[in-house]
Order: sequence, then structure tokens, then C-alpha cells
Amino acid sequence: DVKVTQSSRYLVKRTGEKVFLECVQDMDHENMFWYRQDPGLGLRLIYFSYDVKMKEKGDIPEGYSVSREKKERFSLILESASTNQTSMYLCASSDDRGTGNTIYFGEGSWLTVV
Amino acid sequence: AQTVTQSQPEMSVQEAETVTLSCTYDTSESDYYLFWYKQPPSRQMILVIRQEAYKQQNATENRFSVNFQKAAKSFSLKISDSQLGDAAMYFCAYRSRNSGGSNYKLTFGKGTLLTVNP
Repeated sequence: DVKVTQSSRYLVKRTGEKVFLECVQDMDHENMFWYRQDPGLGLRLIYFSYDVKMKEKGDIPEGYSVSREKKERFSLILESASTNQTSMYLCASSDDRGTGNTIYFGEGSWLTVV
Repeated sequence: AQTVTQSQPEMSVQEAETVTLSCTYDTSESDYYLFWYKQPPSRQMILVIRQEAYKQQNATENRFSVNFQKAAKSFSLKISDSQLGDAAMYFCAYRSRNSGGSNYKLTFGKGTLLTVNP
């Protein structure tokens, strides 16, 4: 079975803290994504990566950065957390082989910034 | 840039009845994929069904089927014999079939919250 694991389901952080959200996939997928989900806004793409050490900005990259040092791991970094970054964050992965281009999602990380 | 629109923020259906969720999209590409994802209260996104734009036949998966109208850029989801477990947020999504860079990303609609009444 395909598995995308987000290490933290629920986090509470203080304004100004540096926050790391970690995501690991076990399917040898080339592509990995970070989405943010807010009520009434659906899922919005923050960053994605189509290869190790490669990254591209999505639709709402401001205030975020990412790291992909290994193929299986894609980290989302909030350099200085702010209250407007309180949200649910979804990690996903995909490739163009075998799985028919389907994107697989993790269970989500709920982040509250106080 | 591609956009996906779900015009029904909420829908409800009686158990065992049929419901159709609407989705329209805008793209200048001729070849792409369309998806419906389900997100139950657990928040785990689950793939319901996928359609390849070059295929004229509508995709079906058990009680779930789509009505894909390429010229109209419409991709609706029909759920037959609705069950209580179908209650969830449903997202329509688009992905380019081209390879390389940003073509791999999914663009989502804002979702339709489906309630199933017993």
C-alpha cells in the first residue's frame, strides 16, 4: 500500500518560532507537494518538488520554504510562524509510472500558531 | 493557468438516493487528467475516480461515475445508492498530462460538502 506519513498531526507553536513539518513517502515517488487547506478556500499549493534538491513555488509560497535532501523526504519550513499560518497542511506525492499519475496524500498536520 | 470551479458549496442526499456533484474547469490544454477526491472527517484524502481527457468513455468505480463533457469543460460526479459513509467533502482536481515541472501539480476546486441523511 502507498504510504505518505506526516510526522506531526497536531502542533501548537508561538508566533515567531521556526516550524518544521516533515513528510516521508515510501513509494519512491519523484514528485512531492505541500498544500494548505483552509475552510472555503480548498487546497492551495505552497511548494512542490519534482526531484531531489529541486523545488518550485506554488500559488502561495510567501512565508514558507522547503527542503528535499532525500527522495523520500520533503520538509516544509515556516521561518517565523505567524497567526495567519494557522491551518491544516497536507503533504502528497506522485510519479508518472505505474500509479497512473495519481497523487497520494498524508493524513494532514494541524498547525495552530498562537 | 488552469482553474477548477465547484459551484455547490454544500449538497445533501437521502440514503439510497442518487446525487450529482458539479465541477467545471478552464484550461487551454488538450490532454489532461481529472480527479475526484473524497475527504471524510478524518481528513485523509481518498481518490474516488480519475478520468483521462483523451478517453471518451466516462470512468466508473462501483457506485461512482462521472459525466465528462470535454467541449463544455465539465466533469460531474454521480453517486448512486448513497450511503452514510459517503458523507464527506468532495474535491474536483485537474492535472496536466504534459511532463516536467509545474505540470505535475494538482489544481483543486474549493470543495462540496456532501451530507447523507438517513
